[in-house]
Amino acid sequence: AQTVTQSQPEMSVQEAETVTLSCTYDTSESDYYLFWYKQPPSRQMILVIRQEAYKQQNATENRFSVNFQKAAKSFSLKISDSQLGDAAMYFCAYRYMIYNQGGKLIFGQGTELSVKP
Amino acid sequence: DTEVTQTPKHLVMGMTNKKSLKCEQHMGHRAMYWYKQKAKKPPELMFVYSYEKLSINESVPSRFSPECPNSSLLNLHLHALQPEDSALYLCASSQEPSYEQYFGPGTRLTVT
Repeated sequence: AQTVTQSQPEMSVQEAETVTLSCTYDTSESDYYLFWYKQPPSRQMILVIRQEAYKQQNATENRFSVNFQKAAKSFSLKISDSQLGDAAMYFCAYRYMIYNQGGKLIFGQGTELSVKP
Repeated sequence: DTEVTQTPKHLVMGMTNKKSLKCEQHMGHRAMYWYKQKAKKPPELMFVYSYEKLSINESVPSRFSPECPNSSLLNLHLHALQPEDSALYLCASSQEPSYEQYFGPGTRLTVT
């Protein structure tokens, strides 16, 4: 069964500094997608970044980048130049497909990130 | 535009009430999802509709009844809920079942 583990329940970063959130997963599939979602206190879940397993290049979206290590089944999120608005719960998610049924997201337990001014 | 809207934002209902949650998207997405989320926990998948047909039911109790009247609209009908059903209910959609999901703001449900 697929599982996603986020080992850091809480993290803290100083404004303008860089922080890395960890995520590991377990799967026997070779083709899958990985995502990081952000959920601020306002509660809307926002897609931050996605990574396709068959692509070796790490995804980047502005200040957000990932370190995808397929063999190690590791998918960490780096936030550069942290801003107060980055404070949120961050969920790592693994998506796999069920034939004829669609995609299912498996979420990690989340990492609550606080940003100190 | 990746907007998914949900109404109402908040809902308080008694255990004998019948109510409905509504989710709408106008992005032409062909898959829609219902999730339940407890505080400080990840979302838990409840139902998936793919091309307006129910494709996944995660063994959800029958007091939750989903409905997809058309490709833009998803409802969740609630009846005889329990206090432990109090949670944030999130709707999501994706262009195709295999594409990334975009979430709505959620409905905060309290069952008294």
